[in-house]
Amino acid sequence: QSVLTQPPSASGTPGQRVTISCSGSNSNIGSNNVYWYQQFPGTAPKLLIYRDTQRPSGVPDRFSGSKSGTSASLAISGLRSEDEADYYCAAWDGSLSAVVFGGGTKLTVL
Amino acid sequence: EVQLVESGGGLVQPGGSLRLSCAASGFTFSTYWMHWVRQDPGKGLLWVSRINSDGSSTNYADSVKGRFTISRDNAKNTLYLQMNSLTAEDTAVYYCARVVDTTTRNGLDYWGQGTLVTVSS
Repeated sequence: QSVLTQPPSASGTPGQRVTISCSGSNSNIGSNNVYWYQQFPGTAPKLLIYRDTQRPSGVPDRFSGSKSGTSASLAISGLRSEDEADYYCAAWDGSLSAVVFGGGTKLTVL
Repeated sequence: EVQLVESGGGLVQPGGSLRLSCAASGFTFSTYWMHWVRQDPGKGLLWVSRINSDGSSTNYADSVKGRFTISRDNAKNTLYLQMNSLTAEDTAVYYCARVVDTTTRNGLDYWGQGTLVTVSS
């Protein structure tokens, strides 16, 4: 069982806005930055969001991150078929002295 | 161009040891924190370990603490993961990854292609 909790699945139709949640605690999300990754089958993860809301260069502004208290969210607007992938949140956990990942959310574009 | 290339994976018997290497190029290796992350086949991501830029500070997941050792050779631009007392639960693809910038300890923006470690008799 993951320290960070994500819904196992999410879905949307092309053009829609989809939100993926990530719930944690005061020792991780509540006091440290949140990161979001996208992963396609058989490939390495790709960083989508760092420091809660920042996008690395090359990541479209359709992807956005937010955080409130001990929860964070990844929003994908203007959903496209190529967004169909697994999405993971992560954060440093000060109590564990470890990086913790969410269990991942499989996004399906209908 | 930033490149991270892992090597050293393979088949090992339970209780055995393996050392993974990650050759880095295209950036000033000695100024970045580095991490190892693994992924069981068909499962989610699991963080393994991280090391600071000069190798003086390390952290480990509880599941590998005392068995795995992360290290780096900045002169050779190489990251290592020494894995001892391996069990079947350590079977996974192991990725090395670099943090997004020199002021960050987490947030992994460059990843290697991964190397498969299989622990089986």
